[in-house]
Amino acid sequence: GEEVAQTPKHLVRGEGQKAKLYCAPIKGHSYVFWYQQVLKNEFKFLISFQNENVFDETGMPKERFSAKCLPNSPCSLEIQATKLEDSAVYFCASSHDWGRPGSYEQYFGPGTRLTVT
Amino acid sequence: QQQVKQSPQSLIVQKGGISIINCAYENTAFDYFPWYQQFPGKGPALLIAIRPDVSEKKEGRFTISFNKSAKQFSLHIMDSQPGDSATYFCAASTKSEKLVFGKGTKLTVNP
Repeated sequence: GEEVAQTPKHLVRGEGQKAKLYCAPIKGHSYVFWYQQVLKNEFKFLISFQNENVFDETGMPKERFSAKCLPNSPCSLEIQATKLEDSAVYFCASSHDWGRPGSYEQYFGPGTRLTVT
Repeated sequence: QQQVKQSPQSLIVQKGGISIINCAYENTAFDYFPWYQQFPGKGPALLIAIRPDVSEKKEGRFTISFNKSAKQFSLHIMDSQPGDSATYFCAASTKSEKLVFGKGTKLTVNP
């Protein structure tokens, strides 16, 4: 597609429950990024993929967060045992492969708002 | 450690005026500096971006000025309109790596 798609739009989970978010990057884009935007508007980088391979996971709280990008499937971000502090909007972005025109440009999806109660 | 500092936090401009938002960075390895516009409830939209080999880039009413020696860059919105009211984020990255964002500027353009 021509836009990054994210589902669901809203997700409500009780503390301790699992949450799974999905992202379909723009067709032809090789890089996928996940960012978390908290209430103060600050963006925090979580993880990035180059195709199905983890490229950078320096932002991931590894004990509860996991992510995958498998061939022919939407990418996913999963949070096991959600905590109140996980309440945020999670954005997915995609970009072209390095070296291609426009490869620096990251295009964002509409986000998934996760509310942990 | 915040690597991209953005100011002001909020800005009120009259219709037709010039809006100026400033950012400063620390990491000299950054080589890509985009600006994003975000409306409430929406994802950030890429507005304009610059590479350090040029000092200015203009697209319509939006201009980025870049000062490599001072490690600063700014967004100028000419003839600001009420429809420009949004939160603006500067960011920086290296090659195809993660974006490091500023904390955002909430712009209000009064009619």
